[in-house]
Amino acid sequence: DAGVIQSPRHEVTEMGQEVTLRCKPISGHDYLFWYRQTMMRGLELLIYFNNNVPIDDSGMPEDRFSAKMPNASFSTLKIQPSEPRDSAVYFCASSLLAGTTDEQFFGPGTRLTVL
Amino acid sequence: LAKTTQPISMDSYEGQEVNITCSHNNIATNDYITWYQQFPSQGPRFIIQGYKTKVTNEVASLFIPADRKSSTLSLPRVSLSDTAVYYCLVGASNSNSGYALNFGKGTSLLVTP
Repeated sequence: DAGVIQSPRHEVTEMGQEVTLRCKPISGHDYLFWYRQTMMRGLELLIYFNNNVPIDDSGMPEDRFSAKMPNASFSTLKIQPSEPRDSAVYFCASSLLAGTTDEQFFGPGTRLTVL
Repeated sequence: LAKTTQPISMDSYEGQEVNITCSHNNIATNDYITWYQQFPSQGPRFIIQGYKTKVTNEVASLFIPADRKSSTLSLPRVSLSDTAVYYCLVGASNSNSGYALNFGKGTSLLVTP
């Protein structure tokens, strides 16, 4: 397996524009996670899915953020409208199970810069 | 999840042993201790996990005292390539309800020649 795939790797956009980040989890993994990493706050969980269903979105910062998982092999994280404070590295991860003891496999991340 | 506390940063020279301690005073009976490693410009990766006493693999050792209120990740003879951020996580297996996994800021280890 190629591991977790994220696209794009880098995204530069202007404030107010819509941004869509994409993730393909490892085949067979039932759980998919979206994280955001900044210097100030470290690595934060935004939302996670189980079998394509959102389970916990309490980490999503506000209504400008939305995430979907239309099928087992694809998920998107959308920011609309984007703001400079959304600049961060966004990681997608997948795992077989969802406990802290269950190894998560991370993608390479998408570095987002909002001007 | 049990709250964890670990140093923000550590420095070491090549060839030295590095020990990173994580405090988790409120660890629950079913909780395990898991460590991840994140290299620059990469996502975190799982490196080791334990419940009690000592666990060793090809990357590191994990020491957990009897009271389990802390744990120490030990990296033997570090090299420059061990420069990374190390995250300590404490929680249970397959906890489907109220699940949360926040890595926080971790410990940033810098290894120099």
